[in-house]
Amino acid sequence: EPEVTQTPSHQVTQMGQEVILRCVPISNHLYFYWYRQILGQKVEFLVSFYNNEISEKSEIFDDQFSVERPDGSNFTLKIRSTKLEDSAMYFCASSVWLAGGARSSYNEQFFGPGTRLTVL
Amino acid sequence: AQSVTQLGSHVSVSEGALVLLRCNYSSSVPPYLFWYVQYPNQGLQLLLKYTTGATLVKGINGFEAEFKKSETSFHLTKPSAHMSDAAEYFCAVSRNTGNQFYFGTGTSLTVIP
Repeated sequence: EPEVTQTPSHQVTQMGQEVILRCVPISNHLYFYWYRQILGQKVEFLVSFYNNEISEKSEIFDDQFSVERPDGSNFTLKIRSTKLEDSAMYFCASSVWLAGGARSSYNEQFFGPGTRLTVL
Repeated sequence: AQSVTQLGSHVSVSEGALVLLRCNYSSSVPPYLFWYVQYPNQGLQLLLKYTTGATLVKGINGFEAEFKKSETSFHLTKPSAHMSDAAEYFCAVSRNTGNQFYFGTGTSLTVIP
């Protein structure tokens, strides 16, 4: 069964360093997302990406964050200068979008296993 | 705007007992509703979803949920808890395909032998 994969599973970095989290969405999916979950808190939306541009982003997704689809398979989240409060589990997700699809054909988001980012 | 409220951050049930996890939502448009389960150190796995049609939806592992528009609720139930059901459960709402999910704060389910 196709699945979303993420690498690395755990990343430890020093405050102020840049990190890149990588995701490989399901191959025929067109929408891509990043979420984060700070330990003990709820899952929060960061950004969605469609047709090589950001379609939605939250207040969390400030200038320190960027996303990219550098090739046909990878989807990356970059944090330019990490802060302690960036420590969290980061989940990638993807979904298919059906143009003009009926409500009954809604396609849910498939989540990857997450990357645990620890900023020291 | 969409939001989700999960009542009870921790729920404990005995093995074999009924599981009831509560979820209420607010949405400006007819919502898409989901329940996800997260086992320790793992990602989010879809349990079930409501998009349209029958308001009682059945998911994996014997779970089901009922969409009640009048109560703006989407509570998750399972008739008989199993030890393997111990996990974190998240309710989520979405406005439309391609839009972000709004998650609740989660409910940690403990199953007592």
